[in-house]
Amino acid sequence: AQSVAQPEDQVNVAEGNPLTVKCTYSVSGNPYLFWYVQYPNRGLQFLLKYITGDNLVKGSYGFEAEFNKSQTSFHLKKPSALVSDSALYFCAVRDIYNQGGKLIFGQGTELSVKP
Amino acid sequence: GAVVSQHPSWVICKSGTSVKIECRSLDFQATTMFWYRQFPKQSLMLMATSNEGSKATYEQGVEKDKFLINHASLTLSTLTVTSAHPEDSSFYICSARQRGLASTDTQYFGPGTRLTVL
Repeated sequence: AQSVAQPEDQVNVAEGNPLTVKCTYSVSGNPYLFWYVQYPNRGLQFLLKYITGDNLVKGSYGFEAEFNKSQTSFHLKKPSALVSDSALYFCAVRDIYNQGGKLIFGQGTELSVKP
Repeated sequence: GAVVSQHPSWVICKSGTSVKIECRSLDFQATTMFWYRQFPKQSLMLMATSNEGSKATYEQGVEKDKFLINHASLTLSTLTVTSAHPEDSSFYICSARQRGLASTDTQYFGPGTRLTVL
């Protein structure tokens, strides 16, 4: 079965510092991985995805993620955090064995960036 | 990027009434749409997958007679919560996938609908 795990419920970072939001995956076959961000009372916004190719994926708002096959990880990173990055972040994997190709989400990590 | 809208953004209704939520893909055709439910500070729970022109596929434990889903066109899917009760109060989010390869394409999410049942 396809699954993702986000081991941290909350991450606290000072503005200007680098941030990392962790995600590990368990899949059969090739992983198709995604990161989304959710602001309060809003839907999810797509940040980036890994399908194939370079292990370092660049996305929206200065975010990037590194695909690491040996560690089965897909951590989200940003070199310099902004207060406006504070939000709920979800990692997801596509269930390629499901006809609809549904996304399976991690439990989410709340990022708090303090001035 | 692709835009998905939802209407209404919030709704308050009395127990026993039915509520319809619309999900539209504004600038692309979506053969597949997904409906999720989210509780505060929690992850998204997939309720059902709908394909244009066919019946929706419901996840285990989701009552299909209570949560009616219609996907009549490539740009519109609706979720109707029938005979709503307070326990149905939640944040409902739809998502649409562009036509194309199912495995590699991106799902775009609507802004969500906050349902409160009194």
